[in-house]
Amino acid sequence: DAGVIQSPRHEVTEMGQEVTLRCKPISGHDYLFWYRQTMMRGLELLIYFNNNVPIDDSGMPEDRFSAKMPNASFSTLKIQPSEPRDSAVYFCASSYSGLSNQPQHFGDGTRLSIL
Amino acid sequence: AQSVTQLGSHVSVSEGALVLLRCNYSSSVPPYLFWYVQYPNQGLQLLLKYTTGATLVKGINGFEAEFKKSETSFHLTKPSAHMSDAAEYFCAVTTNFNKFYFGSGTKLNVKP
Repeated sequence: DAGVIQSPRHEVTEMGQEVTLRCKPISGHDYLFWYRQTMMRGLELLIYFNNNVPIDDSGMPEDRFSAKMPNASFSTLKIQPSEPRDSAVYFCASSYSGLSNQPQHFGDGTRLSIL
Repeated sequence: AQSVTQLGSHVSVSEGALVLLRCNYSSSVPPYLFWYVQYPNQGLQLLLKYTTGATLVKGINGFEAEFKKSETSFHLTKPSAHMSDAAEYFCAVTTNFNKFYFGSGTKLNVKP
């Protein structure tokens, strides 16, 4: 079975540029999560969706960050304009609420470097 | 609200030695607890989970963890470490399978 798919795996860009990270959750999963991982702050939840609707975006650091989920099989996390302090690994995860005891499944992440 | 504390950001053991990674949680309602493992340049993979029932849960790669409500702990153990166990381990808690709260992680180093 295909897992959570993230693209690109690596992104290097200059500050001020727009960055778009993409995620395809596991088919049938109704929850989608975006996390950011850094050495200093560890794993932080940015935002999560249920049935394509944003439920909690309290972890989004600033207005420069936005996330969308136009359909059940695709989500984007956008940073505009990007800054060097946004450099991190960004993970997408998905889960299914229809069965009890279901964990979150993670993608392999996007390693973002802002120069 | 829930939270997780992992004691020890780095743990080093010799190959063949016992692995013990500590996790304490805070939750006002019965929690569901998880351990994830992260290998370099990869995402987090589920190692094991406690939801209900038996408090000693077994996971992949010979790992197990015991839920101790009185101690609010969910420590991860493995009797004999392998070189391939070197990775970062995360403990997580949730009460509704929506929002997971992750610990800060423990990097396990296995010495030959």
